[in-house]
Amino acid sequence: SAVISQKPSRDICQRGTSLTIQCQVDSQVTMMFWYRQQPGQSLTLIATANQGSEATYESGFVIDKFPISRPNLTFSTLTVSNMSPEDSSIYLCSVLKPTGYEQYFGPGTRLTVT
Amino acid sequence: AQSVTQPDIHITVSEGASLELRCNYSYGATPYLFWYVQSPGQGLQLLLKYFSGDTLVQGIKGFEAEFKRSQSSFNLRKPSVHWSDAAEYFCAVGAMGNTPLVFGKGTRLSVIA
Repeated sequence: SAVISQKPSRDICQRGTSLTIQCQVDSQVTMMFWYRQQPGQSLTLIATANQGSEATYESGFVIDKFPISRPNLTFSTLTVSNMSPEDSSIYLCSVLKPTGYEQYFGPGTRLTVT
Repeated sequence: AQSVTQPDIHITVSEGASLELRCNYSYGATPYLFWYVQSPGQGLQLLLKYFSGDTLVQGIKGFEAEFKRSQSSFNLRKPSVHWSDAAEYFCAVGAMGNTPLVFGKGTRLSVIA
């Protein structure tokens, strides 16, 4: 398995500001992903965080809005930039271990934008 | 492209009754299939998974699911529901090769006395 921690666990932010969410894994992993879960909705993949290179974004998500870093095999950050109330969501970090079979999820960061 | 359909947005069952949550997937190759549960304000917990082999898989909390290739389905079942099973249930499909999971829209389960 993989133990994943995220910081912060929750935050309330003013519109127009930015928040950086950290994801730390207890072991080296092959892939790291960031998902968004809007209120009452399912999980939507934002991007794949690539170690040492630019993240790969899904349709509808752009780097200027959601810059991602992955400096090593156990850590990644997601920044939500220039926030608006529509960004209020739970943001989840997820990892795939080298076996590539099972995906593990962090506890999520609950973001409220006022 | 992979996709998952959970036809039921909300299901209500009586405590002690049986449960079946439906999941249909679309994927060109052999899929890896998962069921997750999310209680209010909580993170995602893996209930069970199917990779290959026996098409009836057992999970935690008394849940089981059956993979039916001919119907592209992976329905979740429980013979007797407990009040603590009230939660949101997500079906997901993945594949080998470092691809991320694709989730269905979820089914909200309510349990009444």
